[in-house]
Amino acid sequence: KAGVTQTPRYLIKTRGQQVTLSCSPISGHRSVSWYQQTPGQGLQFLFEYFSETQRNKGNFPGRFSGRQFSNSRSEMNVSTLELGDSALYLCASSFGQGSPLNEKLFFGSGTQLSVL
Amino acid sequence: GIQVEQSPPDLILQEGANSTLRCNFSDSVNNLQWFHQNPWGQLINLFYIPSGTKQNGRLSATTVATERYSLLYISSSQTTDSGVYFCAAPGGGGSEKLVFGKGTKLTVNP
Repeated sequence: KAGVTQTPRYLIKTRGQQVTLSCSPISGHRSVSWYQQTPGQGLQFLFEYFSETQRNKGNFPGRFSGRQFSNSRSEMNVSTLELGDSALYLCASSFGQGSPLNEKLFFGSGTQLSVL
Repeated sequence: GIQVEQSPPDLILQEGANSTLRCNFSDSVNNLQWFHQNPWGQLINLFYIPSGTKQNGRLSATTVATERYSLLYISSSQTTDSGVYFCAAPGGGGSEKLVFGKGTKLTVNP
């Protein structure tokens, strides 16, 4: 059974650009969560999707957005990139039948975004 | 929201040694998860342990929810155990997010 797949693995962008990251969950998982990891702030929750609907959102500006497709694959988009957006972006999946907090989360290897 | 604190922040061991990592949380929780982040960045779920004790090979975890802490035990450590260990708990207040501690960086030397 394939794990959570994130693409691309590395991205280099410049300030002001926008970027789209992709996440394919484990087969059968319908909940996808996104987290940002930085050395200073650690792991912070961005948002969670289930059945193509955003169920939960963290405290990030509107430049951070996401969506989920009918096959449960998810994308997140960051517009007008800032230097501080440089981070490892991790996505996690779970079955999502109840609260994602009551299920084991399975993470992908992440996308390392560098903003120059 | 909940505060999650881990100790120690750094730990260096010789191969074969045992270790205990601690996670304290500021509020009662009904879910506590331990993760290992390998050098390539991937977070591996080690335990989903809201209470009690679980074992998986050389690793075991205990959560004492009433006293708001969880422990991760690593026995007979191997170099492949190196990495950062995180614990995470629900954010509370109706938030459906996990709040992560800052992690314990473990280095196991041969």
